Amino acid sequence: GAGVSQTPSNKVTEKGKYVELRCDPISGHTALYWYRQSLGQGPEFLIYFQGTGAADDSGLPNDRFFAVRPEGSVSTLKIQRTERGDSAVYLCASGAGGPGNEQFFGPGTRLTVL
Amino acid sequence: AQSVAQPEDQVNVAEGNPLTVKCTYSVSGNPYLFWYVQYPNRGLQFLLKYITGDNLVKGSYGFEAEFNKSQTSFHLKKPSALVSDSALYFCAVRDGEDMRFGAGTRLTVKP
Repeated sequence: GAGVSQTPSNKVTEKGKYVELRCDPISGHTALYWYRQSLGQGPEFLIYFQGTGAADDSGLPNDRFFAVRPEGSVSTLKIQRTERGDSAVYLCASGAGGPGNEQFFGPGTRLTVL
Repeated sequence: AQSVAQPEDQVNVAEGNPLTVKCTYSVSGNPYLFWYVQYPNRGLQFLLKYITGDNLVKGSYGFEAEFNKSQTSFHLKKPSALVSDSALYFCAVRDGEDMRFGAGTRLTVKP
């Protein structure tokens, strides 16, 4: 079956602009996660959705970052007033939820802020 | 908070030789440990996990990992490395619903 998909695969923007990154999870997965991966580092947790609600947004670095999942499926990560330090690969994952279950990752969106 | 550490940035092995990629963990309570592999320009792929039960866990592509509670380790192993195993490997631990990843180890298998 289809895996997690993310669009766009690459996004180049200018400092101060607004960007939206989209994630289509595996059908039927109730849990959805966003991570950020900087060069040479492991993925860093940003936010977790169970259904439509953000169950844990403790990883969001500041209030410029926001994510939604209005119908419990597709999610959008929104970044306002982008900064050069936001440049990274943004990864989305989905799963059944629960600590014993693995997460299935998308290919990521590479964001470059000039 | 739960965390993992991967002490080696890089591991080099010859094709056909056994490989080990190291991971140590720090948790409160029972650990839920995972290994993922990342190929260039692709997302992370799940290899295996330890939840409970047998300390030796078998996963995809011939990989296995040994959970060692006394040494707080969860090393990834394969008896005979392939050139196609060359990739970036991440150890991870669940912290509630979060997944906490190590910094990664780049495995290079030379022909």
